[in-house]
Amino acid sequence: QKEVEQDPGPLSVPEGAIVSLNCTYSNSAFQYFMWYRQYSRKGPELLMYTYSSGNKEDGRFTAQVDKSSKYISLFIRDSQPSDSATYLCATRAWTGGFKTIFGAGTRLFVKA
Amino acid sequence: DGGITQSPKYLFRKEGQNVTLSCEQNLNHDAMYWYRQDPGQGLRLIYYSQIVNDFQKGDIAEGYSVSREKKESFPLTVTSAQKNPTAFYLCASSIVAGAGETQYFGPGTRLLVL
Repeated sequence: QKEVEQDPGPLSVPEGAIVSLNCTYSNSAFQYFMWYRQYSRKGPELLMYTYSSGNKEDGRFTAQVDKSSKYISLFIRDSQPSDSATYLCATRAWTGGFKTIFGAGTRLFVKA
Repeated sequence: DGGITQSPKYLFRKEGQNVTLSCEQNLNHDAMYWYRQDPGQGLRLIYYSQIVNDFQKGDIAEGYSVSREKKESFPLTVTSAQKNPTAFYLCASSIVAGAGETQYFGPGTRLLVL
């Protein structure tokens, strides 16, 4: 079992839709969670960063962590064609040193 | 402008050849990282460095080598021992390598084998 699992998609939605992107993780000790956005042929850029359970909102983006079910989500409201990208979830873990573990990424297409 | 630069954008390697990917940052970050990204897979850590003149192997270090002679620079060499080097290579940096640190990425180098 991978430490972080993410559906690769692709996910295609119409402009204006609410998008839900999800990841599951295996280790209950994980506490720090991140979402990165990666446009085609570019490096990932940090979108959201959360610690432990709960919600965090930033503009049209909301990150949610449910530690009881080991489930993390990113919601995008009023999706735009410019949101079309691959979204990577990630977590930080201690493995003799801190290490960032990435999901495989979900490819999102927002159609105008 | 502060940021991370990687060069070249595209790199072609002939069989048996060593090639070096450049990564430079002017963010004054202590920690730097190299990742490999293949289609359908998450980023896999090749090497990381928390301080000048020190670096550690990641999950897939075989066939790669690095150096960290300056804080700003962390070049990656893909050696001839790496039998499947075709991938997108990403360099990242962070202020420290602690629990809550977040990494900032460069634009990447795509390596192709001729």
